Order: sequence, then C-alpha cells, then structure tokens
Amino acid sequence: GAGVSQSPRYKVAKRGQDVALRCDPISGHVSLFWYQQALGQGPEFLTYFQNEAQLDKSGLPSDRFFAERPEGSVSTLKIQRTQQEDSAVYLCASSSETAGYGYTFGSGTRLTVV
Amino acid sequence: RKEVEQDPGPFNVPEGATVAFNCTYSNSASQSFFWYRQDCRKEPKLLMSVYSSGNEDGRFTAQLNRASQYISLLIRDSKLSDSATYLCVVKGLSGTASKLTFGTGTRLQVTL
Repeated sequence: GAGVSQSPRYKVAKRGQDVALRCDPISGHVSLFWYQQALGQGPEFLTYFQNEAQLDKSGLPSDRFFAERPEGSVSTLKIQRTQQEDSAVYLCASSSETAGYGYTFGSGTRLTVV
Repeated sequence: RKEVEQDPGPFNVPEGATVAFNCTYSNSASQSFFWYRQDCRKEPKLLMSVYSSGNEDGRFTAQLNRASQYISLLIRDSKLSDSATYLCVVKGLSGTASKLTFGTGTRLQVTL
C-alpha cells in the first residue's frame, strides 16, 4: 500500500480483556517498529523487527505485551489482560533500510481500557 | 533522567513571530538527529534532519551542537499552520537495530 496501515483505529477494551493490534507496513520494508504514546508524551519505543526476526523487545513494559511478525510483513502487537495504564496510542513505523532511516508512521491505534 | 529532554511548552506566539525550541540528549553515542512534527491526533512526521553544520529548510533552521549534546529548531515568520507539537528525536544503535528515541515534544500555538 501507499503507507503504513494500522487497525483498528480505535479500540475500547474492558480491563482484563486481551487485544490484538495490527500493522501493515509499506510493502518491502525490512524494519518495523512499535511505539506507545501516552497522552501528552512522546512516543516510547516498544519493539523492533528486521524482517521476521524480533531483534529488540527491550521496551515492552511487561510480559503481558507480545509482538510478532511471522512472515516478515504484517505485524501484530498483543496485549493480554489489559490494564488501565495500557491506555495509549500504539504507533507502528516501517523503514526500507535495515538501519531504520526514513521511518514512515501509521496513524496509530488508540486503545482505551475501561 | 530522560534520554531526550524538551520544554513541553506550550509556546503561544503571534503570527509572524520567530520562535526557538531547544532539546538536550544524554547519549553521546547517538548518531543522527531529527525534528518531527505531530499534529493533534495524528502520527509524527519527519520535519527535518539536524546536522552540526546546520540545516535550513525555508523558514525552519535546525542546529546540532555535539559537544553540548544540544539540538535546536528555529521557526521564522510563524504561520497559523505551524501550530503543532514538535518532537526532538535522536537515533542511536540498539544491538543491530537503530531506533528513534523521542522527547516529550514542545507544543506550539500560533495565534492571530
């Protein structure tokens, strides 16, 4: 596609519910990043994929967060047993170079946990 | 201490004013530097790269001081459409990855 596509655009989850957020990067982009942006804050790094390999997951806040990119294209960020503090915008970015220069961000998924 | 620090603002300036934003970063091994712009409820978009030699793009000038670990953005002749949050961004190495680290962002509101 022309850009990075994320779905759903909005998600309301009850506390304790599991959610799955999808990112469809620009075709052929090797690098894929997930970021979490809380209200009034800058995006915070969660995890990085190079093709299907998850090379850095140091930013995942707890073991309730899990990301995958099994075929090196579409990625899913899963949050188990959601908590209120998980409420944020989840941004996905992709890049054509392994060094990650020239990121394109998707519009994000706004998650609200009630 | 956050890796990238910015004054969150808001900066309220009249149209036509010159405004400057500053940012400091803590990791001296950081490789590349950028300013991103983020409109309300939108994704961040690259505004410009920042170099030690300075970088000018129309009304926007960015500057890097590696010795002081300091980055600046100057906006001349502010327009209403410049109202947004400006994110200071640093790129460094994390293993084999090269991730972006964002500041909190500085909010700019340009008024008539």
